[in-house]
Amino acid sequence: DARVTQTPRDKVTEMGQEVTMRCQPILGHNTVFWYRQTMMQGLELLAYFRNRAPLDDSGMPKDRFSAEMPDATLATLKIQPSEPRDSAVYFCASGLVLGAEALTEAFFGQGTRLTVV
Amino acid sequence: LAKTTQPISMDSYEGQEVNITCSHNNIATNDYITWYQQFPSQGPRFIIQGYKTKVTNEVASLFIPADRKSSTLSLPRVSLSDTAVYYCLVGQTADIITGGGNKLTFGTGTQLKVEL
Repeated sequence: DARVTQTPRDKVTEMGQEVTMRCQPILGHNTVFWYRQTMMQGLELLAYFRNRAPLDDSGMPKDRFSAEMPDATLATLKIQPSEPRDSAVYFCASGLVLGAEALTEAFFGQGTRLTVV
Repeated sequence: LAKTTQPISMDSYEGQEVNITCSHNNIATNDYITWYQQFPSQGPRFIIQGYKTKVTNEVASLFIPADRKSSTLSLPRVSLSDTAVYYCLVGQTADIITGGGNKLTFGTGTQLKVEL
């Protein structure tokens, strides 16, 4: 049963600390997305990758957030330093895109609930 | 990217058919229309995708008129377990030149509440 795996599921940290969230996309998928969800803003696209290369990270606060794909089986989202306003659920999703075709389906992980106090 | 407009919320009863309409007046020629469902404390889940006319799968139907400026997700005979937020998205075709595109941008969604 292929699924996107995110770790940790829950994270409580103090303001100023570094936070790293990890995502294991579905094997064979070449597109990875990072989202943040809050009650106020809904689902916000932070960044996305194609074949491990960042395509768009315009939704991400550049001064403190960074997203990488060290290899095809791991995507990371790092916040340094973290702030209370970063408290949200962070979702990772993966999908397969071939050529210029449409992305049919993105599979989402269970999310990482981040609380910064 | 095409902006979408959906009702904020809808109420229904078990066994009824629910139709959620999404407006996307500036949809581009290459844009597809996709619907996702999200339950509390879970990530969104793909429901259906279409380009024009009608698409049906085991879960839902998607109706798209000829001008493609709107689309309607139809859920037959809903149950309590269909209570969720439903998102309409447009614009998932890749850009063959830049390799970009496929940008999954979610709007505010429609909160569907199904009661007995």
